[in-house]
Amino acid sequence: GAVVSQHPSRVICKSGTSVKIECRSLDFQATTMFWYRQFPKQSLMLMATSNEGSKATYEQGVEKDKFLINHASLTLSTLTVTSAHPEDSSFYICSASRQESQYFGPGTRLLVL
Amino acid sequence: TQLLEQSPQFLSIQEGENLTVYCNSSSVFSSLQWYRQEPGEGPVLLVTVVTGGEVKKLKRLTFQFGDARKDSSLHITAAQPGDTGLYLCAGGPQTGANNLFFGTGTRLTVIP
Repeated sequence: GAVVSQHPSRVICKSGTSVKIECRSLDFQATTMFWYRQFPKQSLMLMATSNEGSKATYEQGVEKDKFLINHASLTLSTLTVTSAHPEDSSFYICSASRQESQYFGPGTRLLVL
Repeated sequence: TQLLEQSPQFLSIQEGENLTVYCNSSSVFSSLQWYRQEPGEGPVLLVTVVTGGEVKKLKRLTFQFGDARKDSSLHITAAQPGDTGLYLCAGGPQTGANNLFFGTGTRLTVIP
């Protein structure tokens, strides 16, 4: 149990376009999901906390208008990178909270050209 | 932000050797998780410890939560190449809260 999926696994886009990443909890309901960003050879950096039915809580330094988060159901949260630029290229990982632990998706590799 | 420092940052050992990874903080955590992450994949939960002094074993891996719930260790016995990966500790700041603070990570390489 506690499986989390992400889609797409990889995406390449042109600078200025928007990209949507989906995060789904497949076998449990998650009122809270989290979005992380990870740079090469570094630990995870929390971007925002996504709560079902309410606005996301963003960490300091993360632009909420650039990284739009929607958590419309107990099994789905989406992260949209708007007007993507090359510096947004990174590995984006979501997680879903269950009891005391978080279960992670497989990640999405974003490359902005 | 509650900082979790892991040591060592990098570790390269021969197959069959033992190793210990440490996770330290000045803050108290209600729970502590350990994850392993392989390149290009999301972290996989290994264990959650919630009681000070708690010890959990998972085959060749032994996890301990410090008595004061500020630190934790991961000990691997007879390391195998399949243990290679990035090990991350993560602390839950308070009971019932969902957010975690992640450690700085330990990159382990086990050489056959």
